[in-house]
Amino acid sequence: QSVLTQPPSVSGAPGQRVTISCTGSSSDIGAGYDVHWYQQLPGTAPKLLIYHDNIRPSGVPDRFSGSKSGTSASLAITGLQAEDEADYYCQSYDGSLRAWVFGGGTKLTVL
Amino acid sequence: QVQLVQSGAEVEKPGASMKISCEASGYTFTDYYIHWVRQAPAQGPEWMGWINPKSGDTKFAQQFQGRVTMTRDTSTSRAYIELSALTYDDTAVYYCARSYPRGQRPYWGQGTLVTVSS
Repeated sequence: QSVLTQPPSVSGAPGQRVTISCTGSSSDIGAGYDVHWYQQLPGTAPKLLIYHDNIRPSGVPDRFSGSKSGTSASLAITGLQAEDEADYYCQSYDGSLRAWVFGGGTKLTVL
Repeated sequence: QVQLVQSGAEVEKPGASMKISCEASGYTFTDYYIHWVRQAPAQGPEWMGWINPKSGDTKFAQQFQGRVTMTRDTSTSRAYIELSALTYDDTAVYYCARSYPRGQRPYWGQGTLVTVSS
């Protein structure tokens, strides 16, 4: 069972906007620790999509954005494209456990 | 640029041990912790623990206590993870990753596939 909670799946049609939530607790996201988001295509390593809650590494399209409030964070994808179909994971740090924590992952299906 | 380069894929028998290396470059090795994360087939990432390259201090996830060892060699900027008493459930891709002060991005190695097979 993952420390951070994500919906198992989300879906949307091409061009639409989808959001993926990531819910933690007062010892991780709620304590102000950074939230990172990863995209994982089948058979590949996770790719960093968003770091420090809302910063995109160079090369990541601005269709992807992150936000954080209280004990939750969200990843938004606008202008959905077929190539966005992948698994998405959130990650943070738990100050009580002194450990990295991950969400269980959300499978995005582009209809 | 920051790079973490891991050793190659391994096939191990049940009950054996595996040891993976992670060579860091592009930054001062002792300035950032190294974390180890694994991902079993069709599963999400699982944090295993970290090592402080400066002091050698370690912390492990409870489920790996007694079975995992993390070491480092500051002369070669390498971190190592060793996992003993392997079972089929240890088949996974193992990643090393650099810690991140607030506001900085994490960096990951390319991953090392460990297959436990008789």
